[in-house]
Amino acid sequence: NAGVTQTPKFQVLKTGQSMTLQCAQDMNHEYMSWYRQDPGMGLRLIHYSVGAGITDQGEVPNGYNVSRSTTEDFPLRLLSAAPSQTSVYFCASSSSGTGIRVETQYFGPGTRLLVL
Amino acid sequence: AQSVTQLGSHVSVSEGALVLLRCNYSSSVPPYLFWYVQYPNQGLQLLLKYTSAATLVKGINGFEAEFKKSETSFHLTKPSAHMSDAAEYFCAVSDQNFGNEKLTFGTGTRLTIIP
Repeated sequence: NAGVTQTPKFQVLKTGQSMTLQCAQDMNHEYMSWYRQDPGMGLRLIHYSVGAGITDQGEVPNGYNVSRSTTEDFPLRLLSAAPSQTSVYFCASSSSGTGIRVETQYFGPGTRLLVL
Repeated sequence: AQSVTQLGSHVSVSEGALVLLRCNYSSSVPPYLFWYVQYPNQGLQLLLKYTSAATLVKGINGFEAEFKKSETSFHLTKPSAHMSDAAEYFCAVSDQNFGNEKLTFGTGTRLTIIP
């Protein structure tokens, strides 16, 4: 298994440009999430999905769109990049489950985004 | 709403000494609690999780944490630090209305090991 993969690893954008950060997992996980990591702020949830066709907003969704057409893929779209979106972006996935059945969440290696 | 507070953004311990990383949580419903480790330029890796079973949770690499409801704490400990433990550690909380697809993270503690 490749686990959770993210592309690209690094990207430079100009203000106003759009792009899609790709995330894929090959573990047949129902849950997938996008986080951004900024210095001194930990990780903050952008959007998450509990299955194909089902997405919801996290703590910091403004400026980002997501869709989940397949179980494997969960792309994150920046429609008009802003310098405030300079960050490291992590995708994560896990099997469903609550209580003692909460499963391990697996993180991808991250995408470093610089918006000029 | 739920949140976690990690006391100390930087902690330094000598090799072989006790590691203690502090985490306090706030949650209006019974929480799930997690500790993750992040090595430089890598993603996060789960160390351990509390999901309302045993209050003392053992994880990988010799780490453990104890859930104390009265103190709203979930501190991470390791009896003897190793050089390979140098990394950034994150505490995270979810609540029992969700699984772990909706985590709230603390701001992290960078652990330095002194030879």
